[in-house]
Amino acid sequence: DVQLLESGGDLVQPGGSLRLSCAASAFTFSIYAMSWVRQAPGKGLEWVSGITGSGGSTFYADSVRGRFTVSRDNSENTLYLQMGSLRAEDTAIYYCAKGLHDGSHNELDYWGQGTLVTVSS
Amino acid sequence: QSVLTQPPSVSAAPGQKVTISCSGSSSSIGQNHVSWYQQLAGAAPKLIIYVNDKRPSGIPDRFSGSKSGTSATLGISGLQTGDEADYYCASWDSRLERVLFGGGTKLTVL
Repeated sequence: DVQLLESGGDLVQPGGSLRLSCAASAFTFSIYAMSWVRQAPGKGLEWVSGITGSGGSTFYADSVRGRFTVSRDNSENTLYLQMGSLRAEDTAIYYCAKGLHDGSHNELDYWGQGTLVTVSS
Repeated sequence: QSVLTQPPSVSAAPGQKVTISCSGSSSSIGQNHVSWYQQLAGAAPKLIIYVNDKRPSGIPDRFSGSKSGTSATLGISGLQTGDEADYYCASWDSRLERVLFGGGTKLTVL
């Protein structure tokens, strides 16, 4: 079965940095787009970033552009989200999700269980 | 503030049908496919409709989707208490080059 396992969530101070990882298994990782989606406590879903299968194209929400960087290591079947200049409003559960096909960023057919990022002093 | 607009809540009795609307723009729903997600309490979201009206394997045909112009609709018939969840629409926006999610609709099965 397809599995996505996020890690790296933590309590971090405002202005700090954090790197999230998402380990994928049971599918050909390199041929699918991947996305990060977050959910603040008690709030709705917010798409954060997406990356194509090759890693050649990346996309970001305005709220994180310039502060977050998405990347992937297809040899390790792992997706990353490098987060910098963190703000209180970045506090959320961060989910990684698999696109239905390469280039599909809003059709996400498998999701991880999420990892919690808390930004607070 | 979500750029895809959904009603905050809908409710109906078991066995009945409910629809949830999702309104976007010419650069989002008007040019791109719509997908729908179901999020049960405490769980990760689950894809229930993609490419406007297609159901992934395992999703019952009680769930249906449609799109017209810059709006989309999710229909759920034969409501069950297990359908109580938050429902989100999503679409790519060609002008913004990002994915938009609706604000979510909480379904209550009375």
